[in-house]
Parts: sequence; structure tokens; C-alpha cells
Amino acid sequence: GAVVSQHPSWVICKSGTSVKIECRSLDFQATTMFWYRQFPKQSLMLMATSNEGSKATYEQGVEKDKFLINHASLTLSTLTVTSAHPEDSSFYICSAPTGVSSYEQYFGPGTRLTVT
Amino acid sequence: GNSVTQMEGPVTLSEEAFLTINCTYTATGYPSLFWYVQYPGEGLQLLLKATKADDKGSNKGFEATYRKETTSFHLEKGSVQVSDSAVYFCALRGGGGNKLTFGTGTQLKVEL
Repeated sequence: GAVVSQHPSWVICKSGTSVKIECRSLDFQATTMFWYRQFPKQSLMLMATSNEGSKATYEQGVEKDKFLINHASLTLSTLTVTSAHPEDSSFYICSAPTGVSSYEQYFGPGTRLTVT
Repeated sequence: GNSVTQMEGPVTLSEEAFLTINCTYTATGYPSLFWYVQYPGEGLQLLLKATKADDKGSNKGFEATYRKETTSFHLEKGSVQVSDSAVYFCALRGGGGNKLTFGTGTQLKVEL
């Protein structure tokens, strides 16, 4: 089946620094990717929809200047957490549908971010 | 807006026991419903889906029936195995597009 990878799988950074997380579709092209945030024992919360070649669409309450999303190619989307703070520590997950109207979404394994 | 409510875990069962994980939803229109499973250290995987009322999704011995009258999509399996230990997420897709709304997830632990 289709595979989505994320890199890094975990990262520790200091407050005030920026961290970039990559999401790649390995064997299919994705014009759209989704970024989620997951808190311990809580649901996945959709942060934004990444659109290849255009601006991302952010969900209400998500700071677009803090969570920069770039979808530079049909197989890569990046999420940059800028000026990270401890409250940004979380598990970040990306997903990609295999088609415009496909029911099937493939999820990456997630990236654990810890801000100290 | 859309929302999904599922039972809190963890759920601990003995091998070969019957499993039910409850899921109810709130949505406008006619959403599609999904169960995803997350094994330790892995990404979410689609377990089964149902796209209209009374549809039954099934996979790997798991089943769930789309009940519009009760707005439910409960996950069931007749005989669980240790390898079924994972976190299970109920989700819906509604209003067009590919956005998914997830429940909080239910951790299942199956013991010998």
C-alpha cells in the first residue's frame, strides 16, 4: 500500500528556535496533505491543509505565522514550528489522500516534538 | 460542526473475548464513517469504512455498521487476539473534501 514518511521521528529543541518537519509520500503524488496535532490521550486535531503550489489552509485557532507550511512538490510537505515554546511540544502527524476524492488517507508515523 | 465521541480506554480483554468499542457522531448531511487503527510506533491505518446508512464495513474480523437512526458506528470483533492490541480511532468525513474528524481514540490491550 501507499506509504507516507515523516522526518524526523522525534526532535528536541530549545525555546525560541525553529524546527522543520518533513512529510513525504513515497510511492504516490499528493496535491493535498494534512497536518494534525495529537496531545496525549486526545484526538488528532487538524491544523491545516497543505496544497501543492498554493497557500495552506489553516483551521480556526491555528497561528499561520507560527506553523509555516510549504508544499513545494507533489511528494513533499513541510511544517516549520517557528520560535518554538514548551506548549508547542506535541505529536505532529501528516496524512495524504491517494486521490482528489479518495476515501483512503495514508498517515505518516508522526513526529514527537519536545521543546525545552 | 462535526464531532465524534468514542468510549474512553484503555479496554483490557483476554484473548478470544468479544470486543465492542462504541462510537457516536454528530454531523450535518450524510458523512462517511471510518475506523482507523494505530499500532505501537506506526502511523494510523484505515481498518474499515462505510459510506452510507446501513452499510457494514469489515476487515480482519472487525465489523462496524453505519446506523443513521442512532448516529453510531460501533466497532466489534468476535474474538480478539494479542496482535489486535492498538489504539482505535473512529472518524468521519463530511461536507465534501477529504477532511477527517477524529474521536479521542480507544486503547485496546489484549492479554493471554
